[in-house]
Amino acid sequence: DAGITQSPRHKVTETGTPVTLRCHQTENHRYMYWYRQDPGHGLRLIHYSYGVKDTDKGEVSDGYSVSRSKTEDFLLTLESATSSQTSVYFCAINHPPADTQYFGPGTRLTVL
Amino acid sequence: AQTVTQSQPEMSVQEAETVTLSCTYDTSESNYYLFWYKQPPSRQMILVIRQEAYKQQNATENRFSVNFQKAAKSFSLKISDSQLGDTAMYFCALTGANSKLTFGKGITLSVRP
Repeated sequence: DAGITQSPRHKVTETGTPVTLRCHQTENHRYMYWYRQDPGHGLRLIHYSYGVKDTDKGEVSDGYSVSRSKTEDFLLTLESATSSQTSVYFCAINHPPADTQYFGPGTRLTVL
Repeated sequence: AQTVTQSQPEMSVQEAETVTLSCTYDTSESNYYLFWYKQPPSRQMILVIRQEAYKQQNATENRFSVNFQKAAKSFSLKISDSQLGDTAMYFCALTGANSKLTFGKGITLSVRP
C-alpha cells in the first residue's frame, strides 16, 4: 500500500461541464502521474509532475490540465468534459530507487 | 518514442499448470526498467515483478519469473503453478525519461479450475 487515494471513485457528468479529479499521497513522493485506461489501449500517460508547481504533458494531454500546489495532492481537471473522456483514470507515484510506480485505486468517469 | 507490444489479447490455462505471457518492446534508452502489472476485476493495478535492464539475471518473485532477452527486446512473464486468483489482465510496461511508463495493451489471463 503506497498510501495513494483518489477521489471521487466514481463520477457521472454531462458533456461540457468541468470535472476535477484528486490524487492524494501520504509518503512525500516527488513524482506523480495521471493515466487513463481504455479498452484496447492499456494505460496512457496524461500529465505528470516532478515537484510542486512542476508539471509536464504526457501522450494524451489534450483537453486536460493539472495542478500541484502541495506535494501530497495532484489534481486533474477536464475543463469541458467530452464523451471521449469517459474512461478510468489512475494516479500513480514513483518510488525510487528502482523507478517503480504504484497506483491508486482508480476513478471511473462517465461523460454523458 | 518507446513502444510495448503484447500481441496475445487472451490466454487460458488450467489450474496448477504453467503459462507464459509474451511482451516485446522498443526503446532508445540505455538504462531502463521493465515491469509486469496485474489488474484483477477489482481494477487495482498491482506490481507483479520488476527487471532492471542492466541486470543479466532474470527476476523472480515466488511463482512469477521473467525471461529477459535484452538483445531481442523481449520480456516474457512465466507463471508457475497457476492459481484461480491469477485470473486477471496483465500489462507489460517500460520506463522512459522522468520514469514515465509506457504500457502494452494487456492480455487477459483466465485460469480454469
